Amino acid sequence: ILNVEQSPQSLHVQEGDSTNFTCSFPSSNFYALHWYRWETAKSPEALFVMTLNGDEKKKGRISATLNTKEGYSYLYIKGSQPEDSATYLCALSLGKLIFGQGTTLQVKP
Amino acid sequence: GAVVSQHPSWVICKSGTSVKIECRSLDFQATTMFWYRQFPKQSLMLMATSNEGSKATYEQGVEKDKFLINHASLTLSTLTVTSAHPEDSSFYICSAGQGGNPQETQYFGPGTRLLVL
Repeated sequence: ILNVEQSPQSLHVQEGDSTNFTCSFPSSNFYALHWYRWETAKSPEALFVMTLNGDEKKKGRISATLNTKEGYSYLYIKGSQPEDSATYLCALSLGKLIFGQGTTLQVKP
Repeated sequence: GAVVSQHPSWVICKSGTSVKIECRSLDFQATTMFWYRQFPKQSLMLMATSNEGSKATYEQGVEKDKFLINHASLTLSTLTVTSAHPEDSSFYICSAGQGGNPQETQYFGPGTRLLVL
């Protein structure tokens, strides 16, 4: 069974801080890596789909990188805002999605 | 665009009853729909994949006779938990894909929390 690991499990930062978290996976043999943002009582929202080693994607203050050779992806949030508070999920697509447990971010005003 | 709804958002039922959960793609046609389950402090786990008009494909360890999936149209899939027991209490969430491409984004519903007493 392939394990997708996310760290840290949770994170508390002050408004304005920049932060990053990690998604690790043991295999380079996958179709894509997905990042989702999941706010409480809402649907997970797709952030990025990454496919190639060295991929970098950006959406406003959020960006992500992918290193398939060493088996990780980083998600960065620049200048965190309270509305960034959510759980961030990564998932590996092997034809089906294998999810990590998520990183829960709390941004304090 | 790409909105998926799910109903009900929560349900409490007695042991032995059946519960139906609906998943709808509101503004696109979903060739494939997925059903996931999440137990506390665990990751989302795929239960089954359904393609419109054909039988669902279940993941190992998921009982197909207990978790009935119907994908009768390109916008609706249902999951019925038959003869529910307390151990079936969990968070169930569906997602939908548009084209069957393994790189494509899956769009998620908001989930259904099931409590079986």
